[in-house]
Amino acid sequence: RKEVEQDPGPFNVPEGATVAFNCTYSNSASQSFFWYRQDCRKEPKLLMSVYSSGNEDGRFTAQLNRASQYISLLIRDSKLSDSATYLCVVKRAGTYKYIFGTGTRLKVLA
Amino acid sequence: GAVVSQHPSWVICKSGTSVKIECRSLDFQATTMFWYRQFPKQSLMLMATSNEGSKATYEQGVEKDKFLINHASLTLSTLTVTSAHPEDSSFYICSAREGQTYNEQFFGPGTRLTVL
Repeated sequence: RKEVEQDPGPFNVPEGATVAFNCTYSNSASQSFFWYRQDCRKEPKLLMSVYSSGNEDGRFTAQLNRASQYISLLIRDSKLSDSATYLCVVKRAGTYKYIFGTGTRLKVLA
Repeated sequence: GAVVSQHPSWVICKSGTSVKIECRSLDFQATTMFWYRQFPKQSLMLMATSNEGSKATYEQGVEKDKFLINHASLTLSTLTVTSAHPEDSSFYICSAREGQTYNEQFFGPGTRLTVL
């Protein structure tokens, strides 16, 4: 089983839609979780960290469910500029290493 | 935020040659640097972790004699792909962790390597 798993998509949604991505991780000892955004042929950029209590940043909401070992990202009121690949990242327990999921492709359509 | 640069941004070389990629932290001292590889339509795969002044730690399946990593200073790490072959063609990305910031890694813009 992969350490971090995501649905690769693609998710094609109209502008203004709400879309949610899930990610599961295998190591229950993992402590730190992130969502990154990657545009084509560019480096990943931190979108938000994911905290146990859940956190929100504008149109983006991240949730962590430790019992089920999954992380979610909700995007409300999708914009064309949200089109990208969203990477779920888990920091391997006891290390500084980041383990990336395969990414979920989002395409927001006009 | 902290800035990490990579050089070159792209390189095309003949099979059998060696290619060196530099990763620099521009405005902070990087205690640890990481090297990733990303093949088309796949995610980033961690290749190795390097700490300044010590040998790099390689992930399982990554040949340390083929991918030479040097982290000689707190602002510079280099990855040398030795005797490159077409299957080494990939997007190589480095990241750096600043000693005081426990979790966050700052990513470089990546280097696209094409081996003919």
